[in-house]
Amino acid sequence: KAGVTQTPRYLIKTRGQQVTLSCSPISGHRSVSWYQQTPGQGLQFLFEYFSETQRNKGNFPGRFSGRQFSNSRSEMNVSTLELGDSALYLCASSFSPDTNEQFFGPGTRLTVL
Amino acid sequence: EDKVVQSPLSLVVHEGDTVTLNCSYEVTNFRSLLWYKQEKKAPTFLFMLTSSGIEKKSGRLSSILDKKELFSILNITATQTGDSAVYLCAVGARINQAGTALIFGKGTTLSVSS
Repeated sequence: KAGVTQTPRYLIKTRGQQVTLSCSPISGHRSVSWYQQTPGQGLQFLFEYFSETQRNKGNFPGRFSGRQFSNSRSEMNVSTLELGDSALYLCASSFSPDTNEQFFGPGTRLTVL
Repeated sequence: EDKVVQSPLSLVVHEGDTVTLNCSYEVTNFRSLLWYKQEKKAPTFLFMLTSSGIEKKSGRLSSILDKKELFSILNITATQTGDSAVYLCAVGARINQAGTALIFGKGTTLSVSS
Protein backbone atom coordinates (compact mmCIF):
# COMPACT_ATOMS: atom_id res chain seq x y z
CA LYS A 1 0.00 0.00 0.00
CA ALA A 2 1.49 3.35 -0.98
CA GLY A 3 2.17 5.77 1.84
CA VAL A 4 1.23 9.41 2.21
CA THR A 5 2.63 11.53 -0.60
CA GLN A 6 3.29 15.24 -0.57
CA THR A 7 4.21 17.62 -3.34
CA PRO A 8 6.34 19.50 -3.87
CA ARG A 9 9.11 18.26 -1.58
CA TYR A 10 10.99 21.56 -1.58
CA LEU A 11 9.84 25.10 -2.24
CA ILE A 12 11.51 28.49 -2.11
CA LYS A 13 9.34 31.60 -2.04
CA THR A 14 9.78 35.27 -1.19
CA ARG A 15 7.93 37.29 1.43
CA GLY A 16 4.46 38.34 0.39
CA GLN A 17 3.94 35.47 -2.04
CA GLN A 18 1.48 32.66 -1.52
CA VAL A 19 2.02 28.92 -1.70
CA THR A 20 -0.10 25.79 -2.13
CA LEU A 21 1.01 22.40 -0.82
CA SER A 22 -0.59 19.11 -1.75
CA CYS A 23 -1.12 15.86 0.13
CA SER A 24 -2.47 12.49 -1.01
CA PRO A 25 -3.41 10.20 1.89
CA ILE A 26 -2.97 6.45 2.13
CA SER A 27 -5.59 4.69 0.04
CA GLY A 28 -8.73 4.22 2.13
CA HIS A 29 -7.80 6.91 4.64
CA ARG A 30 -10.32 9.71 4.76
CA SER A 31 -8.90 12.01 7.41
CA VAL A 32 -5.99 14.35 6.68
CA SER A 33 -4.17 16.52 9.21
CA TRP A 34 -1.51 19.13 8.61
CA TYR A 35 1.37 20.04 10.92
CA GLN A 36 4.11 22.64 10.87
CA GLN A 37 7.54 21.64 12.18
CA THR A 38 10.17 24.22 13.12
CA PRO A 39 13.32 23.88 15.24
CA GLY A 40 11.97 26.27 17.87
CA GLN A 41 8.35 25.17 18.19
CA GLY A 42 8.56 21.53 17.17
CA LEU A 43 5.52 19.95 15.55
CA GLN A 44 2.35 22.04 15.76
CA PHE A 45 -1.13 21.13 14.59
CA LEU A 46 -2.52 23.26 11.78
CA PHE A 47 -5.86 21.68 10.83
CA GLU A 48 -7.72 18.45 10.21
CA TYR A 49 -10.06 17.57 7.35
CA PHE A 50 -12.58 14.80 7.00
CA SER A 51 -15.29 14.41 4.36
CA GLU A 52 -14.22 17.68 2.75
CA THR A 53 -14.88 19.55 6.01
CA GLN A 54 -12.41 21.23 8.32
CA ARG A 55 -13.08 19.69 11.71
CA ASN A 56 -10.32 21.28 13.76
CA LYS A 57 -7.96 24.19 13.45
CA GLY A 58 -4.86 24.93 15.47
CA ASN A 59 -3.61 28.26 16.68
CA PHE A 60 -2.46 29.74 13.39
CA PRO A 61 -3.46 32.98 11.66
CA GLY A 62 -6.05 33.10 8.92
CA ARG A 63 -3.28 33.22 6.30
CA PHE A 64 -3.14 29.46 6.71
CA SER A 65 -6.03 27.67 5.05
CA GLY A 66 -6.78 24.33 3.51
CA ARG A 67 -9.32 22.18 1.81
CA GLN A 68 -10.06 18.57 1.08
CA PHE A 69 -11.41 17.08 -2.10
CA SER A 70 -13.90 14.26 -2.60
CA ASN A 71 -11.06 11.78 -3.18
CA SER A 72 -9.63 12.74 0.26
CA ARG A 73 -6.65 14.55 -1.23
CA SER A 74 -5.92 17.77 0.59
CA GLU A 75 -4.23 21.06 -0.09
CA MET A 76 -3.05 23.76 2.25
CA ASN A 77 -2.45 27.35 1.30
CA VAL A 78 -0.39 30.03 2.97
CA SER A 79 -0.92 33.58 1.76
CA THR A 80 1.24 36.65 2.28
CA LEU A 81 4.23 34.59 3.30
CA GLU A 82 6.43 35.73 6.16
CA LEU A 83 9.99 34.70 7.00
CA GLY A 84 8.66 32.83 10.03
CA ASP A 85 6.63 30.54 7.80
CA SER A 86 9.82 28.75 6.79
CA ALA A 87 9.29 25.22 8.06
CA LEU A 88 8.69 21.60 7.23
CA TYR A 89 5.00 21.09 6.52
CA LEU A 90 3.85 17.57 7.26
CA CYS A 91 0.66 15.91 6.24
CA ALA A 92 -0.68 12.89 8.10
CA SER A 93 -3.52 10.59 7.21
CA SER A 94 -5.71 8.29 9.26
CA PHE A 95 -8.67 6.08 8.50
CA SER A 96 -11.07 8.44 10.26
CA PRO A 97 -10.95 11.28 12.80
CA ASP A 98 -11.65 8.75 15.53
CA THR A 99 -8.53 6.81 14.64
CA ASN A 100 -5.63 8.44 16.40
CA GLU A 101 -3.05 6.42 14.51
CA GLN A 102 -1.76 8.96 12.01
CA PHE A 103 0.80 8.20 9.31
CA PHE A 104 3.00 10.98 8.03
CA GLY A 105 4.14 11.92 4.58
CA PRO A 106 7.70 13.03 3.77
CA GLY A 107 6.83 16.70 4.15
CA THR A 108 7.33 19.83 2.10
CA ARG A 109 10.30 21.98 3.07
CA LEU A 110 9.26 25.62 2.57
CA THR A 111 11.88 28.34 2.65
CA VAL A 112 10.75 31.97 2.62
CA LEU A 113 13.38 34.53 1.62
CA GLU B 1 -3.12 24.88 28.07
CA ASP B 2 -2.44 21.36 26.80
CA LYS B 3 1.21 20.34 26.95
CA VAL B 4 3.45 17.35 26.40
CA VAL B 5 6.91 17.34 27.96
CA GLN B 6 9.67 14.94 27.01
CA SER B 7 12.87 14.22 28.87
CA PRO B 8 15.73 14.14 28.47
CA LEU B 9 16.02 16.50 25.49
CA SER B 10 19.08 14.65 24.29
CA LEU B 11 20.95 11.51 25.16
CA VAL B 12 24.23 9.95 24.05
CA VAL B 13 24.78 6.25 24.68
CA HIS B 14 27.02 3.43 23.49
CA GLU B 15 25.84 0.55 21.38
CA GLY B 16 24.34 -2.15 23.55
CA ASP B 17 23.09 0.21 26.24
CA THR B 18 19.46 0.33 27.34
CA VAL B 19 17.70 3.69 27.31
CA THR B 20 14.47 5.01 28.77
CA LEU B 21 12.75 8.02 27.28
CA ASN B 22 10.10 9.87 29.25
CA CYS B 23 6.93 11.66 28.27
CA SER B 24 4.57 13.45 30.64
CA TYR B 25 1.40 15.23 29.62
CA GLU B 26 -1.36 17.54 30.73
CA VAL B 27 -4.05 17.29 28.10
CA THR B 28 -7.79 17.64 28.38
CA ASN B 29 -9.90 15.15 26.45
CA PHE B 30 -7.07 12.62 26.26
CA ARG B 31 -7.67 9.85 23.75
CA SER B 32 -4.31 8.18 23.17
CA LEU B 33 -0.55 8.54 23.41
CA LEU B 34 1.68 7.86 20.44
CA TRP B 35 5.41 7.46 19.93
CA TYR B 36 7.14 8.31 16.66
CA LYS B 37 10.73 8.00 15.45
CA GLN B 38 12.04 10.77 13.23
CA GLU B 39 15.26 10.60 11.31
CA LYS B 40 15.94 13.14 8.57
CA LYS B 41 12.48 12.64 7.16
CA ALA B 42 8.87 12.14 8.23
CA PRO B 43 8.01 10.74 11.66
CA THR B 44 7.58 6.98 11.59
CA PHE B 45 4.86 5.50 13.77
CA LEU B 46 6.07 3.24 16.61
CA PHE B 47 3.28 2.71 19.14
CA MET B 48 -0.13 3.91 20.15
CA LEU B 49 -1.25 3.42 23.75
CA THR B 50 -4.72 3.96 25.06
CA SER B 51 -4.94 1.79 28.17
CA SER B 52 -2.98 2.14 31.36
CA GLY B 53 -0.51 -0.54 32.38
CA ILE B 54 -0.48 -2.52 29.15
CA GLU B 55 2.98 -2.76 27.61
CA LYS B 56 3.36 -2.63 23.87
CA LYS B 57 6.43 -4.30 22.39
CA SER B 58 8.08 -4.39 19.01
CA GLY B 59 11.45 -6.07 18.91
CA ARG B 60 13.84 -4.14 21.15
CA LEU B 61 11.36 -1.33 21.72
CA SER B 62 8.63 -1.26 24.32
CA SER B 63 6.34 1.34 25.80
CA ILE B 64 3.88 1.67 28.63
CA LEU B 65 1.33 4.27 29.67
CA ASP B 66 0.30 5.38 33.15
CA LYS B 67 -2.94 7.35 32.84
CA LYS B 68 -3.16 8.02 36.55
CA GLU B 69 0.28 9.66 36.74
CA LEU B 70 -0.03 11.07 33.19
CA PHE B 71 3.17 9.74 31.71
CA SER B 72 4.61 7.19 29.35
CA ILE B 73 8.04 5.67 28.84
CA LEU B 74 9.72 4.28 25.77
CA ASN B 75 12.42 1.69 26.37
CA ILE B 76 15.02 0.64 23.85
CA THR B 77 17.22 -2.31 24.78
CA ALA B 78 20.53 -3.31 23.18
CA THR B 79 20.71 -0.03 21.28
CA GLN B 80 22.20 0.08 17.79
CA THR B 81 23.55 2.98 15.74
CA GLY B 82 20.41 2.75 13.61
CA ASP B 83 18.39 3.78 16.65
CA SER B 84 19.91 7.26 16.47
CA ALA B 85 16.99 9.60 15.82
CA VAL B 86 14.59 12.03 17.42
CA TYR B 87 11.86 10.25 19.35
CA LEU B 88 8.60 12.15 19.48
CA CYS B 89 5.80 11.66 21.96
CA ALA B 90 2.34 12.88 20.95
CA VAL B 91 -0.99 12.89 22.71
CA GLY B 92 -4.16 12.50 20.67
CA ALA B 93 -6.80 14.84 22.04
CA ARG B 94 -10.37 15.48 21.11
CA ILE B 95 -10.72 19.14 20.25
CA ASN B 96 -13.91 21.17 19.90
CA GLN B 97 -16.09 18.07 20.24
CA ALA B 98 -15.03 16.89 16.80
CA GLY B 99 -11.94 15.38 15.34
CA THR B 100 -8.59 14.72 16.90
CA ALA B 101 -5.33 16.63 17.00
CA LEU B 102 -1.92 15.31 17.97
CA ILE B 103 -0.10 17.47 20.51
CA PHE B 104 3.61 16.83 20.29
CA GLY B 105 6.46 17.12 22.74
CA LYS B 106 9.74 18.68 21.61
CA GLY B 107 11.33 15.27 21.23
CA THR B 108 14.34 13.42 22.63
CA THR B 109 17.41 13.27 20.41
CA LEU B 110 19.12 9.92 20.86
CA SER B 111 22.65 9.39 19.58
CA VAL B 112 24.09 5.88 19.70
CA SER B 113 27.85 5.61 19.23
CA SER B 114 29.62 2.46 18.09
